[in-house]
Amino acid sequence: AQSVAQPEDQVNVAEGNPLTVKCTYSVSGNPYLFWYVQYPNRGLQFLLKYITGDNLVKGSYGFEAEFNKSQTSFHLKKPSALVSDSALYFCAVRDRYNFNKFYFGSGTKLNVKP
Amino acid sequence: SQTIHQWPATLVQPVGSPLSLECTVEGTSNPNLYWYRQAAGRGLQLLFYSVGIGQISSEVPQNLSASRPQDRQFILSSKKLLLSDSGFYLCAWSDSLTEAFFGQGTRLTVV
Repeated sequence: AQSVAQPEDQVNVAEGNPLTVKCTYSVSGNPYLFWYVQYPNRGLQFLLKYITGDNLVKGSYGFEAEFNKSQTSFHLKKPSALVSDSALYFCAVRDRYNFNKFYFGSGTKLNVKP
Repeated sequence: SQTIHQWPATLVQPVGSPLSLECTVEGTSNPNLYWYRQAAGRGLQLLFYSVGIGQISSEVPQNLSASRPQDRQFILSSKKLLLSDSGFYLCAWSDSLTEAFFGQGTRLTVV
């Protein structure tokens, strides 16, 4: 079965500091991995994806993620956090055997304090 | 460009009343369509997905049903709402290669 796990319910970071939101995956074969952000009472916004190629993927709003096959991880990172980055973040995997399904992690709430 | 519309944004319905939430996609053809439910602002539960007109796959047995009467229209329904149906409902679409794109969601409160 395809799945992703987000081990942290909440991450707190000071504005200007680097941030990391963790995600690990369990898939058969090579994964299609995604990160999304959700602001209160809104839909999910796509940030970035890994399909193939470079392990470091750059996305929207200065976010990037590093695909690590040996550790089965796809952590979301940003060099300098903004207060406006405070939101709920989801990692997701697309089922390569059933391209119709996306599986989402439980979400990590990021709090960036001034 | 592709857009997805979901309405209404908020809905308050009494227990036992029917439900109809609608989602439409523009700018693409034959998309995969999805309904998710998000409880308490956290994880997403896949309810239904559809790969074509009239083709519906249900992920979780429940009080809800879905229909796809047109290529870019996806409807979530219930004949009689339960209190436990309250939540934030999200529609999404994708094609065979891309990420999923989400609507803005419907906040359903069953009272």
